[in-house]
Amino acid sequence: GENVEQHPSTLSVQEGDSAVIKCTYSDSASNYFPWYKQELGKRPQLIIDIRSNVGEKKDQRIAVTLNKTAKHFSLHITETQPEDSAVYFCAASMDQAGTALIFGKGTTLSVSS
Amino acid sequence: SAVISQKPSRDICQRGTSLTIQCQVDSQVTMMFWYRQQPGQSLTLIATANQGSEATYESGFVIDKFPISRPNLTFSTLTVSNMSPEDSSIYLCSVEDRGRYEQYFGPGTRLTVT
Repeated sequence: GENVEQHPSTLSVQEGDSAVIKCTYSDSASNYFPWYKQELGKRPQLIIDIRSNVGEKKDQRIAVTLNKTAKHFSLHITETQPEDSAVYFCAASMDQAGTALIFGKGTTLSVSS
Repeated sequence: SAVISQKPSRDICQRGTSLTIQCQVDSQVTMMFWYRQQPGQSLTLIATANQGSEATYESGFVIDKFPISRPNLTFSTLTVSNMSPEDSSIYLCSVEDRGRYEQYFGPGTRLTVT
């Protein structure tokens, strides 16, 4: 089955710096890769996703890149702000109905002002 | 995206008892999923619930321990049976957005077993 590795487990940056979180997956059949942000005591929220037909997707300060050959994908946050502090989870699945997400272990991002 | 609610939001239960968690969606969805998130950990899939058929359980989770109902396209329940302290976790339902297969999560149920 699919296995998703996520690094680093913790990341501390200064406000305004960039943050990068990396994930690798094992199943070459996976073709849908979402990222979730979970603030303390809250539900995971989908912040961006990418499908295998594109290599990069951007939404304001966040971007995701995908390298299908190497089976890894990354989340990039630019101009970080204190409100970006949260746990971020990557996940992988097949882009079809009824396919569950397999999550990485999460990265705790701390942005200090 | 769909509005998802869960009941109860939290509960403290005695060892050996059972708790049923409800997940309600404001629109019809085909697929619903139940996840467990142990303290400080990632999300682990318990089962997939498709309306009109038996739930599909992941390795390590069995129907006798986590029976699931899916009576219609807007509602599902997960029961945690014969609870032990190891069952203390947050239980989350998620729904799949029709057409795009994105998943959105309910607010979760925080369960503490004493």
